[in-house]
Amino acid sequence: GAVVSQHPSRVICKSGTSVKIECRSLDFQATTMFWYRQFPKQSLMLMATSNEGSKATYEQGVEKDKFLINHASLTLSTLTVTSAHPEDSSFYICSFSLNYGYTFGSGTRLTVV
Amino acid sequence: DAKTTQPNSMESNEEEPVHLPCNHSTISGTDYIHWYRQLPSQGPEYVIHGLTSNVNNRMASLAIAEDRKSSTLILHRATLRDAAVYYCIPTAQTGANNLFFGTGTRLTVIP
Repeated sequence: GAVVSQHPSRVICKSGTSVKIECRSLDFQATTMFWYRQFPKQSLMLMATSNEGSKATYEQGVEKDKFLINHASLTLSTLTVTSAHPEDSSFYICSFSLNYGYTFGSGTRLTVV
Repeated sequence: DAKTTQPNSMESNEEEPVHLPCNHSTISGTDYIHWYRQLPSQGPEYVIHGLTSNVNNRMASLAIAEDRKSSTLILHRATLRDAAVYYCIPTAQTGANNLFFGTGTRLTVIP
């Protein structure tokens, strides 16, 4: 149980374009979910927290107009990286909270060229 | 967030037990101790969590010190698939707050 589907697993885009990452819970519903990013050889860093139907709360230093989060339902959240630049290249991971802990997507490796 | 200290890396021979330590001396009385692991190029995976008593599940055992200032994740028989970065994360309440990931312990399993 608690399966999360995150797509795409890997994407390469040109600088200045936008990329949408989708995160879907397949067999459960969750009110709260989190988006993390991970740079090479570093740990996960929280980007934002979102509750279904509400605006996301962004961590300090994360631009809300650049990283658009849509958490429209209890099973689906999307992260759109707008006007991507090479420094946005990273591993993006979604996470849903459960009653016993947290479950994570398999991650999306974004490369901006 | 409670500060944690874990060894940067550890090695284990395949099929031998592994004890992964974590110090969390500033843990609050209501923090649960969570362990997650991250395989290469994957999202983190839940391993186990506990509050005060030792816990066992199909993946591992968690031994929590009586003063709760440290804990040890025990893999009873390491396999090559257990090679990952293991994170010990005290968190205030299950499911309500984000997890703060420290640097974790990179476990290498030697065939």
